Amino acid sequence: AQSVTQLGSHVSVSEGALVLLRCNYSSSVPPYLFWYVQYPNQGLQLLLKYTTGATLVKGINGFEAEFKKSETSFHLTKPSAHMSDAAEYFCAVSAVFKAAGNKLTFGGGTRVLVKP
Amino acid sequence: EPEVTQTPSHQVTQMGQEVILRCVPISNHLYFYWYRQILGQKVEFLVSFYNNEISEKSEIFDDQFSVERPDGSNFTLKIRSTKLEDSAMYFCASKFETGSETQYFGPGTRLLVL
Repeated sequence: AQSVTQLGSHVSVSEGALVLLRCNYSSSVPPYLFWYVQYPNQGLQLLLKYTTGATLVKGINGFEAEFKKSETSFHLTKPSAHMSDAAEYFCAVSAVFKAAGNKLTFGGGTRVLVKP
Repeated sequence: EPEVTQTPSHQVTQMGQEVILRCVPISNHLYFYWYRQILGQKVEFLVSFYNNEISEKSEIFDDQFSVERPDGSNFTLKIRSTKLEDSAMYFCASKFETGSETQYFGPGTRLLVL
């Protein structure tokens, strides 16, 4: 069974500071990896994903994440936080090579607060 | 840009009542999902649906739950006899095909069971 752990349910950063959100997964084989963002009163929006190829992936809004197989991690970063980054961020995994389904397994989420 | 839509945005119901949550997935997508998020908890998978049948379901998805694609556009989740613990945000998602791994989520329906 797959599982996802996000370290820190709340993170507070100053505007312009580095944003670092941690995600570790447990899976018998390396899964597909995703980061989703949820703004207040909205649905989940894909930020970025890793399936194959380059382990450093870039997403929308200046975010990027690096897949590290040896550490079973997929941490999300943004060099300079903006007020509009205040939201909840979810790391998720899905199985590779499943004929149908490919359900997402989510971490507990990290709520980001950006201070002016 | 195409998006997944869900109705209603909020629903309040009495315990024991039936509710139907509606979703319109993106039109050329083939895989459909329901997830839920109880307040303060993780987003949890409920069920996936492909080729007019359930392809996978979680332990949460018991006999009180059912899904249907009644026509070419809607995808519904029915809870036959709601319990207090069914109160949650319910998300619908859709995906184009195997190999395109991105699931696109709707804005959710917040269900409150009294």
